[in-house]
Amino acid sequence: AQSVTQLGSHVSVSEGALVLLRCNYSSSVPPYLFWYVQYPNQGLQLLLKYTSAATLVKGINGFEAEFKKSETSFHLTKPSAHMSDAAEYFCAVSEGGGNKLTFGTGTQLKVEL
Amino acid sequence: GAVVSQHPSRVICKSGTSVKIECRSLDFQATTMFWYRQFPKKSLMLMATSNEGSKATYEQGVEKDKFLINHASLTLSTLTVTSAHPEDSSFYICSAATGGASNQPQHFGDGTRLSIL
Repeated sequence: AQSVTQLGSHVSVSEGALVLLRCNYSSSVPPYLFWYVQYPNQGLQLLLKYTSAATLVKGINGFEAEFKKSETSFHLTKPSAHMSDAAEYFCAVSEGGGNKLTFGTGTQLKVEL
Repeated sequence: GAVVSQHPSRVICKSGTSVKIECRSLDFQATTMFWYRQFPKKSLMLMATSNEGSKATYEQGVEKDKFLINHASLTLSTLTVTSAHPEDSSFYICSAATGGASNQPQHFGDGTRLSIL
């Protein structure tokens, strides 16, 4: 069975600082991995996805994530945080024959001046 | 591209009322649609998966007679909360995907805030 662990339910960074949101997965087969962002009272927006091509994936809004099989990780990074990045971030995994997603518990990113 | 519209965005109604929520894929055909429930400061809980033209598959613990799902076309799925009670108050989110492959991302609607008085 697949699962996702997001370490740190809350992360706070200063504007301009590096953003690092952690995601570790468990999967019995090569997984497909996704990062989504949720702004208050809205649905989820896809940031990026890993589908077994390049291990370093670039997404929207300057975010990227690196798939590391040896560490079973798919951490999300952004070199310089902006106030508009404050939101909830979800890591998700999909495996097997369908596109059913298993979500992590989410990380609330706060960006301070 | 890949826009999903969910309506209404917010609904407040009395206990015992049935409420219908619509989920539409505006610029693509959604073979599969998903319905989630999200509690405050919590992750998304998958309620059911629906494929166009067939019965929805409900997750364990979700009452199918309580949460009626219809996926009559490739662009529309509806969730009806029947005889809603205060404990059904929540944020409901739909998503849609093209095809059933694992590498196809889900595209999400903006959610419906349901409040039962």
